[in-house]
Amino acid sequence: GAGVSQSPRYKVAKRGQDVALRCDPISGHVSLFWYQQALGQGPEFLTYFQNEAQLDKSGLPSDRFFAERPEGSVSTLKIQRTQQEDSAVYLCASSLDAGGGVYSPLHFGNGTRLTVT
Amino acid sequence: KQEVTQIPAALSVPEGENLVLNCSFTDSAIYNLQWFRQDPGKGLTSLLLIQSSQREQTSGRLNASLDKSSGRSTLYIAASQPGDSATYLCAVDSNSGYALNFGKGTSLLVTP
Repeated sequence: GAGVSQSPRYKVAKRGQDVALRCDPISGHVSLFWYQQALGQGPEFLTYFQNEAQLDKSGLPSDRFFAERPEGSVSTLKIQRTQQEDSAVYLCASSLDAGGGVYSPLHFGNGTRLTVT
Repeated sequence: KQEVTQIPAALSVPEGENLVLNCSFTDSAIYNLQWFRQDPGKGLTSLLLIQSSQREQTSGRLNASLDKSSGRSTLYIAASQPGDSATYLCAVDSNSGYALNFGKGTSLLVTP
């Protein structure tokens, strides 16, 4: 079946621009995560949704980062006034269970590579 | 904060060898540990998930063990193949049970 889909695949933004990154999770998956992965590093947690509820946003680096999942399926990560340090791969993952991936594995998309110039 | 360390950072082996990747974590109060594979330019693929009450999980040529009390896990790959070349990441959950804390990964190269 279809996996987690992310778009765009690549995004180049000039410093100060706003960007929006989209994630289509696997149909029926309750949990949705956003992670940020810098070059040569493991992914870093940004935020977690259980259906449409954002239960944890403790990993968002600043108030320039905002995520939503209004109908409990598609999610958008928005970054306002992008900075060079925002350059990274942004990964979306979904999981079937409501325990946030505790009991069932996470399925990751291929990510959006954001480059801020 | 949960810290996850993976050793070695990189590994190169000839095809056919058995190999072990190591993962350690600082807080033993976890729900589960997962091993992932990441190919260049791709997302992560879940390989094995070990619940905290389990000692090991097996899938094909892969076997992962978990020693929760000592904060360690190993991923054993039998009869390695060039197609196994990738970065392998270990991750454990946090106190909230939502966020996964990842290591930096082990970059594996299997040469023909």
